[in-house]
Amino acid sequence: GAGVSQTPSNKVTEKGKYVELRCDPISGHTALYWYRQSLGQGPEFLIYFQGTGAADDSGLPNDRFFAVRPEGSVSTLKIQRTERGDSAVYLCASSLWAQGVSSYNSPLHFGNGTRLTVT
Amino acid sequence: KNEVEQSPQNLTAQEGEFITINCSYSVGISALHWLQQHPGGGIVSLFMLSSGKKKHGRLIATINIQEKHSSLHITASHPRDSAVYICAVQETSGSRLTFGEGTQLTVNP
Repeated sequence: GAGVSQTPSNKVTEKGKYVELRCDPISGHTALYWYRQSLGQGPEFLIYFQGTGAADDSGLPNDRFFAVRPEGSVSTLKIQRTERGDSAVYLCASSLWAQGVSSYNSPLHFGNGTRLTVT
Repeated sequence: KNEVEQSPQNLTAQEGEFITINCSYSVGISALHWLQQHPGGGIVSLFMLSSGKKKHGRLIATINIQEKHSSLHITASHPRDSAVYICAVQETSGSRLTFGEGTQLTVNP
């Protein structure tokens, strides 16, 4: 595809339910990021993948949140026992690579996000 | 104190005005990003900087690594520039981005 694709674009669920959010990055991008954005605030880091492995998952708020990227391309963010406070726009971004210590980084490409509403 | 601070939070300008949005950060970085977000829309990367200055059309971004400060300038502003502009830094200690709260820019015709 031409860009980062996120599905669904909107998800409404009841408190306590399980949800899965999907991110399809740009082909060949090894770095994949999940962020979430609450209304009126900047995005908040959740987790970063380099290839198949989660290189940094320190932003996940608690153990109800989990993300996978089994084949190094598509990633799924999973939220168990959803709470109303989980309502936000969940953003995915990808880049060719990111080397934390190296001076080189490649531009990020963002998806349009999934708006999650927990009722 | 946030690691990334932007000013102003809100900015209203008349069409044609020169606009500056500032970003200060407190951590060591490997890169700084300027991003644009339209209402209800996705985020678009405008610039990625590690030093100096970059220009694209009417947009100019500068960074001063020693002072830990970056600015985004828009020349000859236009109503279609109305959006939230977000500064984000990529820390040298890892690969995550830390975002500022964003600057809501409104350009009136």
